Amino acid sequence: DQQVKQNSPSLSVQEGRISILNCDYTNSMFDYFLWYKKYPAEGPTFLISISSIKDKNEDGRFTVFLNKSAKHLSLHIVPSQPGDSAVYFCAASASNFGNEKLTFGTGTRLTIIP
Amino acid sequence: DAGVTQSPTHLIKTRGQHVTLRCSPISGHKSVSWYQQVLGQGPQFIFQYYEKEERGRGNFPDRFSARQFPNYSSELNVNALLLGDSALYLCASSLVVGVGQPQHFGDGTRLSIL
Repeated sequence: DQQVKQNSPSLSVQEGRISILNCDYTNSMFDYFLWYKKYPAEGPTFLISISSIKDKNEDGRFTVFLNKSAKHLSLHIVPSQPGDSAVYFCAASASNFGNEKLTFGTGTRLTIIP
Repeated sequence: DAGVTQSPTHLIKTRGQHVTLRCSPISGHKSVSWYQQVLGQGPQFIFQYYEKEERGRGNFPDRFSARQFPNYSSELNVNALLLGDSALYLCASSLVVGVGQPQHFGDGTRLSIL
């Protein structure tokens, strides 16, 4: 049962435009969400996170939006740069799990076209 | 500062063998988690240890075990290896426990079972 879903396996965006990556979840116990970026042959790198008490969090070019009623979150990257080309994972955790287990989606491969 | 370091980087084993993977967390980080990532999927949670105690266990068979040492480094052991254990094994560390603490990943150990 895939509790965190990233339905777009890949996305191509022109350099300088906005990249929007989407993520849906099914478990209503999730109350913290994170985005990770992964380059080939490297481990995932933490990008940005959001608590369920917020609906938006911004860090430089990266903004995460959370819609709790729809169980949906998105990552916006503006403007997109060639170095943003990577696989992006959405992950979720729950404060009442008693641990910091992250449940990951299957990832979206973002390609920025120069 | 050194990030999370994992050894070895690559490993080839045959079915039925045993393997030990090692992880050194970021200096000062007391929590270590292990994840398995098979091709085309997101990382799946295996274990979390904090202050040498198991804090969480994912849905993996008893062939998988782990421990954390007084210096907070950790080992993941897998017995009776199966072809399906071929994957990238990721270790992540965080400073403290608590939902919302970003986990910092190493570059992983690529395990291939022949």
